[in-house]
Amino acid sequence: QTVVTQEPSLTVSPGGTVTLTCASNTGAVTSGYSPNWFQLKPGQAPRALIYSTSNKHSWTPARFSGSLLGGKAALTLSGVQPEDEAEYYCLLYYGGAWVFGGGTKLTVL
Amino acid sequence: QVQLVQSGAEVEKPGASVKVSCKTSGYTFTDFYIHWVRQAPGQGLEWMGLSRPDTDSTGYAQNFRGRVTMTRDTSTTTVYMELRSLRSEDTAVYYCVREKRGGTFDYWGQGTLVTVSS
Repeated sequence: QTVVTQEPSLTVSPGGTVTLTCASNTGAVTSGYSPNWFQLKPGQAPRALIYSTSNKHSWTPARFSGSLLGGKAALTLSGVQPEDEAEYYCLLYYGGAWVFGGGTKLTVL
Repeated sequence: QVQLVQSGAEVEKPGASVKVSCKTSGYTFTDFYIHWVRQAPGQGLEWMGLSRPDTDSTGYAQNFRGRVTMTRDTSTTTVYMELRSLRSEDTAVYYCVREKRGGTFDYWGQGTLVTVSS
């Protein structure tokens, strides 16, 4: 069974930098997994942030960036704002099927 | 502008079926796939499957095969997701989301709450 693993929770100070990661139990994550990242706030629909590892949508704030890091997909927030407190999910492609990570709850404190 | 508008909340009994719609507008319907994703209370996002409007083909997550059917109506640019043999664990918010072929997910529907309760 395919399992995608994210940090369950992270805490960051306002103005700080934090990196969230997304790992696959099948091996190193590469661009072929087409990593996407989404932000989810209570009572709202998810919002797409990053596609194809590192590409931003027109609405994605500049402080969000995506990359591959140490065999994982990564989402980095630089200059974190209070409104970035949310859950973040990665999504990976496995040849016909997509699998979400378990999500990271990001607290800005 | 691109919009995905879903049907309203549903309450169903265990063993029943539910059909949720996702009405799309603002783009060429057959140029994008539509996926379905759900989030149960206190749980994470779960990918259910996709509809390819251009070829009228589908792909389903293993967890849902045999219980889910996704269809599309090109005349109304609407995609439907039917889930059968409902159980309490299917209580969730169901979302449709658009994918540009090649793995770019962008616009989401507003979500549809499906409650399964006797």
